[in-house]
Amino acid sequence: AQSVTQLGSHVSVSEGALVLLRCNYSSSVPPYLFWYVQYPNQGLQLLLKYTSAATLVKGINGFEAEFKKSETSFHLTKPSAHMSDAAEYFCAVSVENNDMRFGAGTRLTVKP
Amino acid sequence: EPEVTQTPSHQVTQMGQEVILRCVPISNHLYFYWYRQILGQKVEFLVSFYNNEISEKSEIFDDQFSVERPDGSNFTLKIRSTKLEDSAMYFCASRDREAGANVLTFGAGSRLTVL
Repeated sequence: AQSVTQLGSHVSVSEGALVLLRCNYSSSVPPYLFWYVQYPNQGLQLLLKYTSAATLVKGINGFEAEFKKSETSFHLTKPSAHMSDAAEYFCAVSVENNDMRFGAGTRLTVKP
Repeated sequence: EPEVTQTPSHQVTQMGQEVILRCVPISNHLYFYWYRQILGQKVEFLVSFYNNEISEKSEIFDDQFSVERPDGSNFTLKIRSTKLEDSAMYFCASRDREAGANVLTFGAGSRLTVL
């Protein structure tokens, strides 16, 4: 079965600094990969998705992620953090016709 | 933009009571899901539903839980005889049948508090 592991339950960066949230996946078949964001007291919002097209995927709010098969990774990055980026970020994986599984989440804190 | 609607947004219930959480998926979607997030923990898959039957369920989804699509629009999660540990945020999601899409659209969640 497919799964994802998010390294680091909590990441803290300064405003304007690079954001890097790590996600590694496990799947016996080519996966679809996703990043979702959850703001306090809200639901899950799709940031971006990888569906076997371009390996570098651009999402909303300036985020992007790169699919690296050799490293089984799908890390999320943003060049310059903004205070409004503070949230919980979830990596997720699914395979064709199967259901989505989430990582444990990474809480991003942005310091002024 | 189409959205998944969940009601109630917050429900408080006594231990042992039955709870029904309601969801209205996006109208042309055919796959429906329930996920659970205990406070401070990961989002956990509960069940998926397609063609009026459960297609997959997790070990969490035991006999205490049931799902139903009573009409053409609603998708409900029933929890019989609630326990304290059922306190969580419950998310409904749906997706369309387009092959390879696999993108779930989530509702805002229903927070269940069991006292």
